[in-house]
Amino acid sequence: GENVEQHPSTLSVQEGDSAVIKCTYSDSASNYFPWYKQELGKRPQLIIDIRSNVGEKKDQRIAVTLNKTAKHFSLHITETQPEDSAVYFCAAIVTGGGNKLTFGTGTQLKVEL
Amino acid sequence: DGGITQSPKYLFRKEGQNVTLSCEQNLNHDAMYWYRQDPGQGLRLIYYSQIVNDFQKGDIAEGYSVSREKKESFPLTVTSAQKNPTAFYLCASTSSGRGLHSPLHFGNGTRLTVT
Repeated sequence: GENVEQHPSTLSVQEGDSAVIKCTYSDSASNYFPWYKQELGKRPQLIIDIRSNVGEKKDQRIAVTLNKTAKHFSLHITETQPEDSAVYFCAAIVTGGGNKLTFGTGTQLKVEL
Repeated sequence: DGGITQSPKYLFRKEGQNVTLSCEQNLNHDAMYWYRQDPGQGLRLIYYSQIVNDFQKGDIAEGYSVSREKKESFPLTVTSAQKNPTAFYLCASTSSGRGLHSPLHFGNGTRLTVT
């Protein structure tokens, strides 16, 4: 089955700096890659996603890039703010697997003042 | 809020007892999922269901059981056979009618503690 690896497990940045979280996946058939943000004690919420026919997608301060050849995708957060502090999960879907998402192990992002 | 309700928020059980976690959604979603969340291990899939009266094992189904008698409901039973049941359990749903690219909507989770 699909295997998703996520790095780093923890990331600390200064407010205003950029943060980058990277994920790799194993199944070349995967064609949908969402990113979820989970604040402490709350449920994960979708923040951005990308399909395999697109190389990059942006939404204000958040962007995701996808390299299908290398089978990796990354989340970029610019001008980080304290409210960006949370755990971020990447995920990939195995096509034909019934919409079964495989998640990475998560990155704890801390934005320091 | 968000259309998916998990109850209770906190649940305590003695070892050897079965316990059932509730998940109800009013989003008219076809597909529902149960994930387990442990520190440093991300979200691991326990069971999922694409349609009523049908469900499939996820990656860590041993010691768990589910049912999908109604579209709105997907209860998870943690049996005494589950060796490490203490965890945070998340239910999710999605509209599979939109194909394979439908984002998951999560409930607020149930934190189960077994002693």
